[in-house]
Amino acid sequence: DAGITQSPRHKVTETGTPVTLRCHQTENHRYMYWYRQDPGHGLRLIHYSYGVKDTDKGEVSDGYSVSRSKTEDFLLTLESATSSQTSVYFCAISLGQGAEQYFGPGTRLTVT
Amino acid sequence: ILNVEQSPQSLHVQEGDSTNFTCSFPSSNFYALHWYRWETAKSPEALFVMTLNGDEKKKGRISATLNTKEGYSYLYIKGSQPEDSATYLCAPPKAAGNKLTFGGGTRVLVKP
Repeated sequence: DAGITQSPRHKVTETGTPVTLRCHQTENHRYMYWYRQDPGHGLRLIHYSYGVKDTDKGEVSDGYSVSRSKTEDFLLTLESATSSQTSVYFCAISLGQGAEQYFGPGTRLTVT
Repeated sequence: ILNVEQSPQSLHVQEGDSTNFTCSFPSSNFYALHWYRWETAKSPEALFVMTLNGDEKKKGRISATLNTKEGYSYLYIKGSQPEDSATYLCAPPKAAGNKLTFGGGTRVLVKP
């Protein structure tokens, strides 16, 4: 299995609080991704990174920011959490264009 | 955002029977097509990355075909087993960033 971990695995937070989710990889893959999974919407891309300090938006990026200061870490931040951001968040990595993506175990976030 | 459709949304299969289902995607500017298998309470796992028209890939009892001219791919499960129960996702990536747009998935339940 690809070495991908996500932390925390579960989190409950209150509306309006900031939240940061961490994705850590030991595979030295260039590309990293954040997805959210919601009933009726499947998996949707939030943000992705194609290298250190190189990030770009996905289809549902509003309310989220990301940072990648090291190859191995990709952080997803909810500046002010809302109930609509209650979801399961998956991180993924890939070697590059055309390559399959490997997914982390997921983080279940509940915003009350 | 690419329009990716999978049908049917769900299907029940008797153990030992074979089945197949479809992924439709825009045929213009085709780059590749990914298939993922997603078991309940786990993370998506890559099955195939397909790039060439007429391509056929196989992994055990699961195989897939690709028609890039008409924009569809079939995934086949031969002699279904209970452990094949999962949601099967297809996703055409964009060349830039290997960003995936996932279809809604086909949920397969194999009944013993």
